[in-house]
Amino acid sequence: AQRVTQPEKLLSVFKGAPVELKCNYSYSGSPELFWYVQYSRQRLQLLLRHISRESIKGFTADLNKGETSFHLKKPFAQEEDSAMYYCALEGYGGATNKLIFGTGTLLAVQP
Amino acid sequence: EPEVTQTPSHQVTQMGQEVILRCVPISNHLYFYWYRQILGQKVEFLVSFYNNEISEKSEIFDDQFSVERPDGSNFTLKIRSTKLEDSAMYFCASSEIRGRNEKLFFGSGTQLSVL
Repeated sequence: AQRVTQPEKLLSVFKGAPVELKCNYSYSGSPELFWYVQYSRQRLQLLLRHISRESIKGFTADLNKGETSFHLKKPFAQEEDSAMYYCALEGYGGATNKLIFGTGTLLAVQP
Repeated sequence: EPEVTQTPSHQVTQMGQEVILRCVPISNHLYFYWYRQILGQKVEFLVSFYNNEISEKSEIFDDQFSVERPDGSNFTLKIRSTKLEDSAMYFCASSEIRGRNEKLFFGSGTQLSVL
């Protein structure tokens, strides 16, 4: 079964502290994984995808196939990082590909 | 950056009524999606659409749901007879091409409240 698990509903850190948002997945095959972010009252936006190995707004995520994880990390949290973060797995089907989302983690960065 | 537009932002309806949620995908995009998020739950895939037909649908997308691209710009989701459990935020999304890791652009959502 294709599944994404985000174990933490809420992660509260102080400004400047390191952040790690956990994501584990279940997928038979080579997974394509994403992190989407939703700032307050805004739309879901792509933050990063594992294939790009990019760093957006200081965030990085490494795919660990052995642990089936794709944790999102940032060394120094900023207040503007406060948002809802969703890990997503790309399911492969038909002529279009669908995303399977985790339940999301609310990151609250305290001043 | 171009945006996916959804209207209305909030729709209130009585149980049993029909609702149509509207979306204007980004103009050169060919692949369209509807997702929904019940309060406190995960974002769930409903349906994908390409070349004027449904490509894939989830088990949530039963006979009460339908999608249509009535013209060259709009993409609609119709719920024929709404139920209380249809109350959710509905997101439209589009993408330019079909490829793995293709970026989805999401609209800001329509909050549907069924009373």
